[in-house]
Amino acid sequence: EVQLVESGGALVLPGGSLRLSCAASGFTFSGYWMHWVRQAPGKGLVWVSRIKSDGSGAAYADSVKGRFTISRDNAKDTLYLQVNSLRAEDMAVYYCARDFNYGLDHWGQGTLVTVSS
Amino acid sequence: QSALTQPPSASGSPGQSVTISCTGTSSDVGGYNYVSWYQQHPGKAPKVLIYEVTRRPSGVPDRFTGSKSGSTASLTVSGLQAEDEADYYCSSYAVTDTWLFGGGTKLTVL
Repeated sequence: EVQLVESGGALVLPGGSLRLSCAASGFTFSGYWMHWVRQAPGKGLVWVSRIKSDGSGAAYADSVKGRFTISRDNAKDTLYLQVNSLRAEDMAVYYCARDFNYGLDHWGQGTLVTVSS
Repeated sequence: QSALTQPPSASGSPGQSVTISCTGTSSDVGGYNYVSWYQQHPGKAPKVLIYEVTRRPSGVPDRFTGSKSGSTASLTVSGLQAEDEADYYCSSYAVTDTWLFGGGTKLTVL
């Protein structure tokens, strides 16, 4: 069974940083592209970033470019998102998801990032 | 990177059919057959219903069908059931090597 489990969400001050993690199991992690998608409270889904299966080809939404960095450790079956210079508008549940033919076929349960002073 | 356009709400009675539209541009929906649809119940993670415009993952009922004409994609839910009440999102790959989501449609089963 495919499982994606996010962690690392927390309450942080504006301007702060966090590293989000997504532990994968039940499939060959190194064979799939992976994504981060976020959802602010009461709002819709917003795509954040994608990384290809070998760790190359990182892509980002304009709103996070230069502040967020996606990475992966295929030996540990883990996806990461380093989030820096956090703003109030970054507050959201962050989901990791597996790519299947440019769709997202499995999602984690999400981890909450709260940005507040 | 503008979001795709979806109606904020849709509704139908049990047994009826409802269609939700998703409008983009030639740089995303119209340019690629990489449109997907997701269902999200309150407090839950999204679940894929359709990928590559028309393909259904195993386990998704055939009551859910996808289509596309030009830069507008559509999701049709036939034989509405109470458990179909949820938020629905479309998504498309875009020419900028990014993905776009629609703003979401709240489906109410009357």
